[in-house]
Amino acid sequence: EPEVTQTPSHQVTQMGQEVILRCVPISNHLYFYWYRQILGQKVEFLVSFYNNEISEKSEIFDDQFSVERPDGSNFTLKIRSTKLEDSAMYFCASTPEGGGRGTQYFGPGTRLTVL
Amino acid sequence: QQQVKQSPQSLIVQKGGIPIINCAYENTAFDYFPWYQQFPGKGPALLIAIRPDVSEKKEGRFTISFNKSAKQFSLHIMDSQPGDSATYFCAASPQTGANNLFFGTGTRLTVIP
Repeated sequence: EPEVTQTPSHQVTQMGQEVILRCVPISNHLYFYWYRQILGQKVEFLVSFYNNEISEKSEIFDDQFSVERPDGSNFTLKIRSTKLEDSAMYFCASTPEGGGRGTQYFGPGTRLTVL
Repeated sequence: QQQVKQSPQSLIVQKGGIPIINCAYENTAFDYFPWYQQFPGKGPALLIAIRPDVSEKKEGRFTISFNKSAKQFSLHIMDSQPGDSATYFCAASPQTGANNLFFGTGTRLTVIP
């Protein structure tokens, strides 16, 4: 069964450093998402991406964040200058269609630790 | 208005019991209500979902009850098993846009053998 994959599984970085989290969505899916989950808290929406551009973004997704689909398979989340409070699990998700009709499939997540 | 409120925060039941998890929302533009199951170290996995045109949906041992007028929905797990021990999140999504999910705060369920 196709699945969303994410790399790395765990990323440790120093505060102020740039990190890139990578995701490979399911191949025939059209919408892509990033969510984050701070330890012990709920999953929070960051950004959605469709047709090579951001569709929607939350208040969390400020200028320090960016997303890119550099080729036909990868979907990346970049944090330019990490802060301690960016420490969280980051989940990528994809769905074949939007408008409330598609099931979102989540990857296993990348645990980001900012020291 | 994008908030989804979930309760209880944690729940312990005996094997065979019927845990019930409740959620409430405010945004009337929400029209898709999934439940996700998450095991430690894993991403959320879709369990069951409902749309507001029905009041109940059952898949196996999992049932969603939906009350549109009260803007509430709940998950019932029949004949719960130790393997059901996980964190359960309700979520909601608006009918327009990219189907962004807004999650509840989660319920940690423990089923005692």
